[in-house]
Amino acid sequence: SQKIEQNSEALNIQEGKTATLTCNYTNYSPAYLQWYRQDPGRGPVFLLLIRENEKKKRKERLKVTFDTTLKQSLFHITASQPADSATYLCALLNTGGFKTIFGAGTRLFVKA
Amino acid sequence: GAVVSQHPSRVICKSGTSVKIECRSLDFQATTMFWYRQFPKQSLMLMATSNEGSKATYEQGVEKDKFLINHASLTLSTLTVTSAHPEDSSFYICSAPLAGGAQETQYFGPGTRLLVL
Repeated sequence: SQKIEQNSEALNIQEGKTATLTCNYTNYSPAYLQWYRQDPGRGPVFLLLIRENEKKKRKERLKVTFDTTLKQSLFHITASQPADSATYLCALLNTGGFKTIFGAGTRLFVKA
Repeated sequence: GAVVSQHPSRVICKSGTSVKIECRSLDFQATTMFWYRQFPKQSLMLMATSNEGSKATYEQGVEKDKFLINHASLTLSTLTVTSAHPEDSSFYICSAPLAGGAQETQYFGPGTRLLVL
């Protein structure tokens, strides 16, 4: 069955450092991979989308890589700030379909 | 960015009662909306796809008679949890794609916390 794995353990880093979160998937060939941010008790907020033919994408302090051979995406937040503390969700979507599959997310804590 | 609202933000009800949750796209029209359920520390699970002017499409294992969906207009979808039981307690989130029904970019509502006593 289709499966998305994100590190269930929280990631604790110091302010100013780069946070790197991992998303691995199996039994799926997504056309798109998305990253969302979710704060406690709130709905997810869209951050970035990367297509299957794109290796990497950058948006301000965010950088995403997408390796369809390894079936893995890495999500980087550079110059991290305490305000970046949240849960980050990885999501996969295939072409022409309407079903998005979400990972359980990784909790990030950035300490001042 | 596009805004999606949900009402209520949280609701507590007695077992056996029905609860209606509204999802509105405030500044864009959405022919399609999605309803998710999220249990603590778990991923969002798609429950159903709400289609304006037609019946909703339910995911496997989701009872359509228990989770009634009505997409009344291009900006409003409602989810009614009928005869709610404590196991229905969860965080319910709706979303709407901005462009043409594709899910490339979804805008999520703030969620509704349901507690069934």
